Amino acid sequence: GQNIDQPTEMTATEGAIVQINCTYQTSGFNGLFWYQQHAGEAPTFLSYNVLDGLEEKGRFSSFLSRSKGYSYLLLKELQMKDSASYLCAVRDGDYKLSFGAGTTVTVRA
Amino acid sequence: IAGITQAPTSQILAAGRRMTLRCTQDMRHNAMYWYRQDLGLGLRLIHYSNTAGTTGKGEVPDGYSVSRANKDDFPLTLASAVPSQTSVYFCASRGDLDTGELFFGEGSRLTVL
Repeated sequence: GQNIDQPTEMTATEGAIVQINCTYQTSGFNGLFWYQQHAGEAPTFLSYNVLDGLEEKGRFSSFLSRSKGYSYLLLKELQMKDSASYLCAVRDGDYKLSFGAGTTVTVRA
Repeated sequence: IAGITQAPTSQILAAGRRMTLRCTQDMRHNAMYWYRQDLGLGLRLIHYSNTAGTTGKGEVPDGYSVSRANKDDFPLTLASAVPSQTSVYFCASRGDLDTGELFFGEGSRLTVL
């Protein structure tokens, strides 16, 4: 099975940077995903890491260390619209995705 | 552009009743999934199907059944609903590109009284 931990809540100021950490213990690993979910909406795909290192996509970056079972999502130049839940998810060898409980990020003016 | 369509959007149901949540995709993806989302617990996998004609159990399958008669439809049935099945249910399909990201429907909010 999968054990995925991430902080419950984070608060940051508009224009700042926030880093959301995710640690995982898995029985099989075939990639790590980050999803964004606004309140009352469906999750949407943000990033995917399968090899160690940093993946950058605009204001969002995601990092993976497989040996440490660790990932982070970095949100730069925060905007009010970035207020949402961010879900860390690990895929196993059968392509099933297990999710952490999510981190609610609140961006304040 | 539809993607994943779920129905109903919201439903209140008496305990003991049978309920089927519908899910249809128009992306011709092979794999489909049902998750439930509860506060503080995140998304938990109920059942999945890697291809039409096959299904598998996820993390929390008890009290639920699925079928995959064709590629596009993946209904989830609660044979006899109980209050602990009150949740938001998301259907998803897996893209066929290297990332294999999931595409989610808008969710079905189910309340069992």
